[in-house]
Amino acid sequence: GAVVSQHPSWVICKSGTSVKIECRSLDFQATTMFWYRQFPKQSLMLMATSNEGSKATYEQGVEKDKFLINHASLTLSTLTVTSAHPEDSSFYICSAMEGEPVNEQFFGPGTRLTVL
Amino acid sequence: GQNIDQPTEMTATEGAIVQINCTYQTSGFNGLFWYQQHAGEAPTFLSYNVLDGLEEKGRFSSFLSRSKGYSYLLLKELQMKDSASYLCAVSDSNYQLIWGAGTKLIIKP
Repeated sequence: GAVVSQHPSWVICKSGTSVKIECRSLDFQATTMFWYRQFPKQSLMLMATSNEGSKATYEQGVEKDKFLINHASLTLSTLTVTSAHPEDSSFYICSAMEGEPVNEQFFGPGTRLTVL
Repeated sequence: GQNIDQPTEMTATEGAIVQINCTYQTSGFNGLFWYQQHAGEAPTFLSYNVLDGLEEKGRFSSFLSRSKGYSYLLLKELQMKDSASYLCAVSDSNYQLIWGAGTKLIIKP
């Protein structure tokens, strides 16, 4: 099946620093990638949808200047949390979709971010 | 607005059968997904229904009624490893996934 990787799997950083999370589709070309955030005991919350070569579409309430998304190729999307604060501590999960319309999203293993 | 409802928590016994219900109200419908998520891990795909009826896949089955805005996930011969959260998600008219809050399933020996 389709495999999506994320790196790093966990990261601890100081408040005010920036953190970059990579999402890669390993054996298929992902025309669309999604970034989710999940707080403990809550469901997934879609942050943004990114299509290769174009600007990401952010969900209402998600600051685009704080969560920078780059989808430079059909196999790589990055999420950069700029000037991270403790309230940004969360589980960040990416998923990738091959072609359209969506039939299944393939999820990465997630990245646990802890901001001290 | 768009809404997905599923029970917060369910408890079942090892070896038994459990049915997790999901009701939805969305702008458009392009299919309903069930995902399993173990604590601290990303969701894994279980099933996809776009037509009415029952889809069976091993110990897991998923049912859909589009007219009722209703689906259920049926788990048979429960095993301890089935303890997880089960997420219902609907693909709306823009093919965006709308997520339910998830049902935490606790399996007891």
